[in-house]
Amino acid sequence: LAKTTQPISMDSYEGQEVNITCSHNNIATNDYITWYQQFPSQGPRFIIQGYKTKVTNEVASLFIPADRKSSTLSLPRVSLSDTAVYYCLVGDKLGGSQGNLIFGKGTKLSVKP
Amino acid sequence: DTAVSQTPKYLVTQMGNDKSIKCEQNLGHDTMYWYKQDSKKFLKIMFSYNNKELIINETVPNRFSPKSPDKAHLNLHINSLELGDSAVYFCASSQYPRPYEQYFGPGTRLTVT
Repeated sequence: LAKTTQPISMDSYEGQEVNITCSHNNIATNDYITWYQQFPSQGPRFIIQGYKTKVTNEVASLFIPADRKSSTLSLPRVSLSDTAVYYCLVGDKLGGSQGNLIFGKGTKLSVKP
Repeated sequence: DTAVSQTPKYLVTQMGNDKSIKCEQNLGHDTMYWYKQDSKKFLKIMFSYNNKELIINETVPNRFSPKSPDKAHLNLHINSLELGDSAVYFCASSQYPRPYEQYFGPGTRLTVT
């Protein structure tokens, strides 16, 4: 499983767009990129998953360049309730994998009024 | 309706005791997991069960024993509790072919004194 590197913390203000970048230089061909969000005293919550280019859902967008060595989670117009830890995970979702998620330290996002 | 539930939410016990944590999911998923999140907030997978069969068994002491009576339940039994077992334990579930989209329970905070 590819190792990921992301900033330990980020600060933002309400209404701003937040971009959290994750580096995964050793990503394998079969690997997908997945992001989770964890609020204090709660379990992680799946946000988005992608393989290449761009993926968008009602919560966020995920941008993946052609070399796939990094990815950027984009949160549009954040609010105070987006304050959480965001985890970037890389791994194989096919080939019999049973979801051996490896969580790193994550990025602690603090949104201020 | 709660998707993944755990009981108890808090568990305080003394060293040497045996305790169990229960997990139930009503999502119809075929795979369930146990994770441990320590005081430094590192989240690490412990076990994974697919259709009641053990799939992932990471390096955890054999004092920890998962039991899956059916697809919807995965309990965690811990023998001879130690101080280092104090952590938050999360149960999660997923459905093939999306093992990376996991749904987490609210967590059980275990404190060993």
